[in-house]
Amino acid sequence: EAGVTQFPSHSVIEKGQTVTLRCDPISGHDNLYWYRRVMGKEIKFLLHFVKESKQDESGMPNNRFLAERTGGTYSTLKVQPAELEDSGVYFCASSQVARNTGELFFGEGSRLTVL
Amino acid sequence: GENVEQHPSTLSVQEGDSAVIKCTYSDSASNYFPWYKQELGKGPQLIIDIRSNVGEKKDQRIAVTLNKTAKHFSLHITETQPEDSAVYFCAASKGRDTGFQKLVFGTGTRLLVSP
Repeated sequence: EAGVTQFPSHSVIEKGQTVTLRCDPISGHDNLYWYRRVMGKEIKFLLHFVKESKQDESGMPNNRFLAERTGGTYSTLKVQPAELEDSGVYFCASSQVARNTGELFFGEGSRLTVL
Repeated sequence: GENVEQHPSTLSVQEGDSAVIKCTYSDSASNYFPWYKQELGKGPQLIIDIRSNVGEKKDQRIAVTLNKTAKHFSLHITETQPEDSAVYFCAASKGRDTGFQKLVFGTGTRLLVSP
């Protein structure tokens, strides 16, 4: 079974540009989460989808960030325009709704560097 | 909101020694405490978790203890091996057993096990 896949693995852009990160969750996982780790700090929650619906987007930093999950499958996280403080590693995670284990399955992350 | 503090930030041990990582949380309503291991180039992976109705849980060489009164929980690794070298994150959540997990993470501990 394929794990959570994220693309790109690393993106380097200039301040003011736009970047779109993609996450493909494990097949059958209705829960999809985005987290971010800024260098050396904690991994912080951004938002949570159940299928195509946003359940909790309380962690989104500001309106420069837009997450979508069309059709309840893959998700994209767009940053527009990017600022220096947006640099970090963006993790996507997924889990099943039906199973009560609580385990999140993380992707390898997308490292974003804003110059 | 919930805040999780994690210590130490780095930990170096000799192979065969024990390693202990400690975390404290602020929200007494938190009821789920997972530990994730992140190896170089990979995403975080769940290694053990504990719920608030349990004081200790063990899985081979790793164990987690929880002190709800003091709001402390710790990860214990015995007989460390070089492959235990990684970054370890503790986390806390108020999620019920529904598969919805808005985790609040600590800042991570880089464990280095020297042969």
